[in-house]
Amino acid sequence: ETGVTQTPRHLVMGMTNKKSLKCEQHLGHNAMYWYKQSAKKPLELMFVYNFKEQTENNSVPSRFSPECPNSSHLFLHLHTLQPEDSALYLCASSQGGAGSAGNTIYFGEGSWLTVV
Amino acid sequence: GQSLEQPSEVTAVEGAIVQINCTYQTSGFYGLSWYQQHDGGAPTFLSYNALDGLEETGRFSSFLSRSDSYGYLLLQELQMKDSASYFCAVGSNTGKLIFGQGTTLQVKP
Repeated sequence: ETGVTQTPRHLVMGMTNKKSLKCEQHLGHNAMYWYKQSAKKPLELMFVYNFKEQTENNSVPSRFSPECPNSSHLFLHLHTLQPEDSALYLCASSQGGAGSAGNTIYFGEGSWLTVV
Repeated sequence: GQSLEQPSEVTAVEGAIVQINCTYQTSGFYGLSWYQQHDGGAPTFLSYNALDGLEETGRFSSFLSRSDSYGYLLLQELQMKDSASYFCAVGSNTGKLIFGQGTTLQVKP
């Protein structure tokens, strides 16, 4: 139990579907992140939110739309995805910006997404 | 930009010592971290080095040389449960944590 909870753990969706991934952190952190993990590839940073404000969009296609209603919750809205978007999507949080003073980031268990 | 290089796979036997190297290129370096990820699990934090030298935490140690843009994770007295993927990551002055591709460690009896 890392204090970061993601739902659903597994999701299968068609290319025309609209779905959302949810993340909740119980650690009182100020920063939240979405990472994508594909087989044989590094963890790819997608989005960063600090105090509910998006501070990083790492050239992510618009079919992925993040939402951060408050410091504890983060969503990833999915629309018209492609089969190559199938991956493990990891949410994470940290006390501050992950690049400063060794702030540890805490990951959720991830949501396995399969696009068919 | 930022990039990290680490070996893709390492194999060792129980009780042995293994070293996983990581070289990096980044602007505004803010420390080197190591994370462990078991199959089907979340990456979990192992260690962090902001300054040169060795940090020891139980059986695991991490080393950093900023002048060489190089670090390593040292695992001693290997156990079967240490079989996992190990990621190095660098923080930057833009507040991002960028990960390497990961090293899959297989511990054999």
